[in-house]
Amino acid sequence: KAGVTQTPRYLIKTRGQQVTLSCSPISGHRSVSWYQQTPGQGLQFLFEYFSETQRNKGNFPGRFSGRQFSNSRSEMNVSTLELGDSALYLCASSLAGGRGDTQYFGPGTRLTVL
Amino acid sequence: AQSVAQPEDQVNVAEGNPLTVKCTYSVSGNPYLFWYVQYPNRGLQFLLKYITGDNLVKGSYGFEAEFNKSQTSFHLKKPSALVSDSALYFCAVRDGGDSSYKLIFGSGTRLLVRP
Repeated sequence: KAGVTQTPRYLIKTRGQQVTLSCSPISGHRSVSWYQQTPGQGLQFLFEYFSETQRNKGNFPGRFSGRQFSNSRSEMNVSTLELGDSALYLCASSLAGGRGDTQYFGPGTRLTVL
Repeated sequence: AQSVAQPEDQVNVAEGNPLTVKCTYSVSGNPYLFWYVQYPNRGLQFLLKYITGDNLVKGSYGFEAEFNKSQTSFHLKKPSALVSDSALYFCAVRDGGDSSYKLIFGSGTRLLVRP
């Protein structure tokens, strides 16, 4: 089975712009989660989607949003980019997002905001 | 609130020696514990998890972890380290009593295995 794929792998944007990142989960996985990784804050949970519904959301401003499509593919959007949004954005998929489910991560999208 | 602590920023070990990467957790319900490894410019790779049952969990690449409820710890171990094990290791927890289902990660421990 193919793993989790994320596109693009690298992005450079300027402050004030918006960006959309894409994630394709492992086939058969219906839960997709997004995390932000930075040297200062570590790995922080953004949100989780299951069957096109956002079930959980982390402590991020409303500029961060996401959605999930009927084929379980997910996108996240960041509007009005700030310098502090520079990070590695990781997508993870699991069968159903249950407590014991393993999350499998993609390679990430490295976002640089100038 | 759930939390995970990895008390060592870095662990240094010689190739062939046993290694331990420490992790302690705090949850209100039963813990679901995970270890992941991250190589440079890569995502996180799953190593092993504890859900219930035997306290000693065996995972990928020869790694194992011991769940200790009384000490609220879940240390990662390997009997004989390889240079290729050098990477960043993350412990994570989900609270069985919490409805959020999100993973809470520790700050990470960098493992350096010297030849």
